[in-house]
Amino acid sequence: SQQGEEDPQALSIQEGENATMNCSYKTSINNLQWYRQNSGRGLVHLILIRSNEREKHSGRLRVTLDTSKKSSSLLITASRAADTASYFCATDSYNTDKLIFGTGTRLQVFP
Amino acid sequence: DAGVIQSPRHEVTEMGQEVTLRCKPISGHNSLFWYRQTMMRGLELLIYFNNNVPIDDSGMPEDRFSAKMPNASFSTLKIQPSEPRDSAVYFCASSFLAGPQETQYFGPGTRLLVL
Repeated sequence: SQQGEEDPQALSIQEGENATMNCSYKTSINNLQWYRQNSGRGLVHLILIRSNEREKHSGRLRVTLDTSKKSSSLLITASRAADTASYFCATDSYNTDKLIFGTGTRLQVFP
Repeated sequence: DAGVIQSPRHEVTEMGQEVTLRCKPISGHNSLFWYRQTMMRGLELLIYFNNNVPIDDSGMPEDRFSAKMPNASFSTLKIQPSEPRDSAVYFCASSFLAGPQETQYFGPGTRLLVL
């Protein structure tokens, strides 16, 4: 069963614009991670945010976490054509030792 | 360093045939995961190993699926007999330490088509 659901399902923007993707989950979590998947490739880890953190940055990535709303957002600033990929959130919870992936957001960045 | 290696990259087979997917995790990694990705069901965890021992196989769809990890550098996922609904991309991933908070490193996947 999927814990996380990304919104929107698909997003198209121009190079240089910011891209924001949201992830909502159902049960309390320990950690939330974001992964990227380029077409035809495996997933690549981007960033992890713990349940006691509210915001985290890594380069052009900014992740926020609102545990009261059970949601997270991933912001990619100054997007590039190379950012074109699917982005997945993944959560782990107190009552499971597995990572559960969401449904993903397909991002298309036009040059 | 080489990442996670999977073979074959593509497999086309007929219903009823046995399919074996192979994975070599990153050297030194102690956990290994098998996932299946489809449009309908997304990314599903099938089974994972810690130190070559299967820990949770609750995601294995049915008895037709089996996985082994005979040593720290090799794992197989076998489907026997295969069915058209098994068509999917199968990913192997590994992590240095056990635990869902650990970064998982994914292989390129095996695209399986069962006719």
